[in-house]
Amino acid sequence: SQTIHQWPATLVQPVGSPLSLECTVEGTSNPNLYWYRQAAGRGLQLLFYSVGIGQISSEVPQNLSASRPQDRQFILSSKKLLLSDSGFYLCAWKTDWSEKLFFGSGTQLSVL
Amino acid sequence: SQELEQSPQSLIVQEGKNLTINCTSSKTLYGLYWYKQKYGEGLIFLMMLQKGGEEKSHEKITAKLDEKKQQSSLHITASQPSHAGIYLCGADPSGSARQLTFGSGTQLTVLP
Repeated sequence: SQTIHQWPATLVQPVGSPLSLECTVEGTSNPNLYWYRQAAGRGLQLLFYSVGIGQISSEVPQNLSASRPQDRQFILSSKKLLLSDSGFYLCAWKTDWSEKLFFGSGTQLSVL
Repeated sequence: SQELEQSPQSLIVQEGKNLTINCTSSKTLYGLYWYKQKYGEGLIFLMMLQKGGEEKSHEKITAKLDEKKQQSSLHITASQPSHAGIYLCGADPSGSARQLTFGSGTQLTVLP
């Protein structure tokens, strides 16, 4: 069966520090991968999605970046965090033909 | 770009009561998804609707997509505390099944 792992679960970082959130999927190949952010009390905002290794589409210009070094690995990064980067980050995957989007358990990021 | 508006933003009901959450799209929906989220956790897929007039049920939750495919409703019958959480509708804006956009969510509280 397929599973998605996202870590860390919580993270507290000072302003200006770097960020690296990792997401891996098991049990499937060539998944579409997504990074979403959920600000407190608000809906999900699509940040990046990837349909293959090295292929990244950015939905919202900001100081975050994403990379897909391996087929089932998706990384969200920042060189210098801003206060506005605080939020709940969710990784997700789906196959190209499937209706379902499967989510990780999320990372609560607090930038202080 | 496609926008999804959910109403109400929050809802407090007494256990045993019925309730309805609405999701309205600014464009024709190729696919409409309903997810549930417990605070600080990932999203759980509830159901997906594609055809105009379609209706699906799972346990005490029923979702409908209108004939024009621009509005969906989620109805919970005889609500229970376990139904509490954030309900989000998501849409496939392009019909390519490669990305979803989400509404801002409805916070549901069920009082025992």
